[in-house]
Amino acid sequence: DAGVIQSPRHEVTEMGQEVTLRCKPISGHDYLFWYRQTMMRGLELLIYFNNNVPIDDSGMPEDRFSAKMPNASFSTLKIQPSEPRDSAVYFCASSWGGGRTEAFFGQGTRLTVV
Amino acid sequence: QKEVEQDPGPLSVPEGAIVSLNCTYSNSAFQYFMWYRQYSRKGPELLMYTYSSGNKEDGRFTAQVDKSSKYISLFIRDSQPSDSATYLCAMSAGSSASKIIFGSGTRLSIRP
Repeated sequence: DAGVIQSPRHEVTEMGQEVTLRCKPISGHDYLFWYRQTMMRGLELLIYFNNNVPIDDSGMPEDRFSAKMPNASFSTLKIQPSEPRDSAVYFCASSWGGGRTEAFFGQGTRLTVV
Repeated sequence: QKEVEQDPGPLSVPEGAIVSLNCTYSNSAFQYFMWYRQYSRKGPELLMYTYSSGNKEDGRFTAQVDKSSKYISLFIRDSQPSDSATYLCAMSAGSSASKIIFGSGTRLSIRP
């Protein structure tokens, strides 16, 4: 397996634009996590899914953020409209068994909102 | 107050030194304790995994969990320049609420 695949690797966008980040988890994994990493706040959990169903979205900072998982092999994180304070590295991770097992991370998407 | 607290460092030590990294937490429901290592511009990767209290050793790395004090540690013996990375502690209750909560990470640099 190629591991968790995220796209794009880098995204530069203007304030107010819509941004969509994509993630393909490892085949067979039943949990998918979206994290955001900044120097100031570290690695923050935004939302996680179990069997494609959102379980906890309490980390989503505002209504401008939304996430979907239409099937077991694909998830998106959307920011609309984007703001400069959304600039961060966004990671997707997947695991089998949730927090009881290893989470495998993608390479991340580095988002810059100007 | 964050559920997991970790000193962000940075921490710089000479090659061969013993390194001690620590985290404290507030949620007594945490049962699974992990250490991830993250190299620059990469995603975190699992380094050590411990269930409940006790010690676990893997080569030069030792993880300790003290649930009574809500305190976990990672020790690195005979540190190498290749150990230079950010180390993140992570925890989970392992129940139906199986989210993984990370510390903010400690940036470690090993000087040759």
